[in-house]
Amino acid sequence: QKEVEQDPGPLSVPEGAIVSLNCTYSNSAFQYFMWYRQYSRKGPELLMYTYSSGNKEDGRFTAQVDKSSKYISLFIRDSQPSDSATYLCAMSAGITDKLIFGTGTRLQVFP
Amino acid sequence: DSGVTQTPKHLITATGQRVTLRCSPRSGDLSVYWYQQSLDQGLQFLIQYYNGEERAKGNILERFSAQQFPDLHSELNLSSLELGDSALYFCASSAGMTGGMNTEAFFGQGTRLTVV
Repeated sequence: QKEVEQDPGPLSVPEGAIVSLNCTYSNSAFQYFMWYRQYSRKGPELLMYTYSSGNKEDGRFTAQVDKSSKYISLFIRDSQPSDSATYLCAMSAGITDKLIFGTGTRLQVFP
Repeated sequence: DSGVTQTPKHLITATGQRVTLRCSPRSGDLSVYWYQQSLDQGLQFLIQYYNGEERAKGNILERFSAQQFPDLHSELNLSSLELGDSALYFCASSAGMTGGMNTEAFFGQGTRLTVV
């Protein structure tokens, strides 16, 4: 079993929809949770970062962490075609530890 | 543009060969990380260097090696290449003042390696 599981998709939604992206993990030591966005033929870029449980909002993006369920989510409101990309979750046990990535979910937002 | 430069962008080589991938980190970043991305395995951490010294090791094969030079650029050497080594290889850098992986890791555009 992988430490981090993520549905590869693809997830196809109409413009304006609310998108929910999720990851589950098995290592209860993970405390730092990140979402990266990767456009085609580009490197991943950090989108959101949360520590421990709770919610964090940044514009149209909301990250949620439920450590009791070992489940993290990224919500995208009012999705735009420019949001079409692969979204990777990543997590680590400590700030100095290596990041463990999910395999990524491919999202397509059509006009 | 993340500020991390990787060369070459594409590489096609035969099985059994050896290649070198190069990474120039963002100006001022001391930590360099190498990742391998394949369709079935996702982004796999290979190795990290901080200010010229190896800091952390992940799922890096013995056929692979890396180093970070005094000017902080890094090279990933892949030898005795196999078909299964075909993947995207990413370099990332961070300020990493404590020498560890922090959340502000910036990725290059990757090198696409195809082994035929």
